[in-house]
Amino acid sequence: TAGITQAPTSQILAAGRSMTLRCTQDMRHNAMYWYRQDLGLGLRLIHYSNTAGTTGKGEVPDGYSVSRANTDDFPLTLASAVPSQTSVYFCASSDSNSGHGIDTQYFGPGTRLTVL
Amino acid sequence: GQNIDQPTEMTATEGAIVQINCTYQTSGFNGLFWYQQHAGEAPTFLSYNVLDGLEEKGRFSSFLSRSKGYSYLLLKELQMKDSASYLCAVKDSNYQLIWGAGTKLIIKP
Repeated sequence: TAGITQAPTSQILAAGRSMTLRCTQDMRHNAMYWYRQDLGLGLRLIHYSNTAGTTGKGEVPDGYSVSRANTDDFPLTLASAVPSQTSVYFCASSDSNSGHGIDTQYFGPGTRLTVL
Repeated sequence: GQNIDQPTEMTATEGAIVQINCTYQTSGFNGLFWYQQHAGEAPTFLSYNVLDGLEEKGRFSSFLSRSKGYSYLLLKELQMKDSASYLCAVKDSNYQLIWGAGTKLIIKP
């Protein structure tokens, strides 16, 4: 199975432009997450979704929006990009309803975004 | 605030043993995870601890002491392919993962 895919792999974006990062999983996981990873910092949660139709804010939600219209897709939108949003973005998913208690998160390959 | 501390970088020799420590201060505790991340790649799951003690999985073991807010990842018989960053993450009272900045492990021949 493909697991989690993200697109694009990398992107250079002019400040002020909008962009949507795509994330799709085929594991039928109920929960999905968006993180950003910056040098010297841990992964920081941007937004999450515990189930289709619901979303929540993470640690650093400002400047980003998400939607979860179905189980498989969880796009992340930057409405008006700023240079501080230059980062590597990872999408992840987990099966938090498995009943096994571990709720391991599985990550996509990431999108490297540069905002100039 | 919530905090996860790990050493920034460690160096070890091929064939040896290395221990990577992680201390945490979080609002609640619902499990601790270790992930491996090779440069330019996604994090991949290594181990999970929710009860005190040692969990062994092949060459990798992970230890947890909840009373001390402390965990370590032990890697035995180091191989060159073990050169990577190792991320410690704690699930807090809201069941969100709080991540450390990671420890970059350099393996020398």
